[in-house]
Amino acid sequence: DAEITQSPRHKITETGRQVTLACHQTWNHNNMFWYRQDLGHGLRLIHYSYGVQDTNKGEVSDGYSVSRSNTEDLPLTLESAASSQTSVYFCASSESTGISFGNTIYFGEGSWLTVV
Amino acid sequence: AQKVTQAQTEISVVEKEDVTLDCVYETRDTTYYLFWYKQPPSGELVFLIRRNSFDEQNEISGRYSWNFQKSTSSFNFTITASQVVDSAVYFCALWPNTGKLIFGQGTTLQVKP
Repeated sequence: DAEITQSPRHKITETGRQVTLACHQTWNHNNMFWYRQDLGHGLRLIHYSYGVQDTNKGEVSDGYSVSRSNTEDLPLTLESAASSQTSVYFCASSESTGISFGNTIYFGEGSWLTVV
Repeated sequence: AQKVTQAQTEISVVEKEDVTLDCVYETRDTTYYLFWYKQPPSGELVFLIRRNSFDEQNEISGRYSWNFQKSTSSFNFTITASQVVDSAVYFCALWPNTGKLIFGQGTTLQVKP
């Protein structure tokens, strides 16, 4: 079955270190997203991509970057991890049928990141 | 402003009770999509339903039903004869034509045996 996988599922890192969370989907979806989930804030969009070489900033993009070199992968990099970036991170994808708006977004299982 | 409000932070019911989760949204767009997701204790986000703004038909899927009313900007979710396995956080989300997917704060449902 096609799916979306994230790794690592759990990670503890130190302040100032660079961290990369991997996301891989096998649905051949053009659209991919990264969200973070925090108590009191729900899910907030970090970055998104509508295709290879396309990346866009979301609501809370400061301190994060993404790159899209192929359809299947959208890694999320924390350039210099901060305690405020302790969160649960969800990768997601949706199919693109010409118009990206409104298509169902399917989520990965989440990556729990703790910055100490 | 574009916003989703789930006023019920936590709901606790006893198994077999019916329960309704409220969702009120705000958008000036005439075209938009609404979603419900379930997040069980294991943490993943499971897609439940997608509805576009031009389709006000209610939907039933097993014990789940959704009531979409544009007049009150609401998209409520009812679970009939709740079960312990329904215990989860439920998120309502809005995707307006002029923006990105916006989530509500979520409602935690606890179903006690």
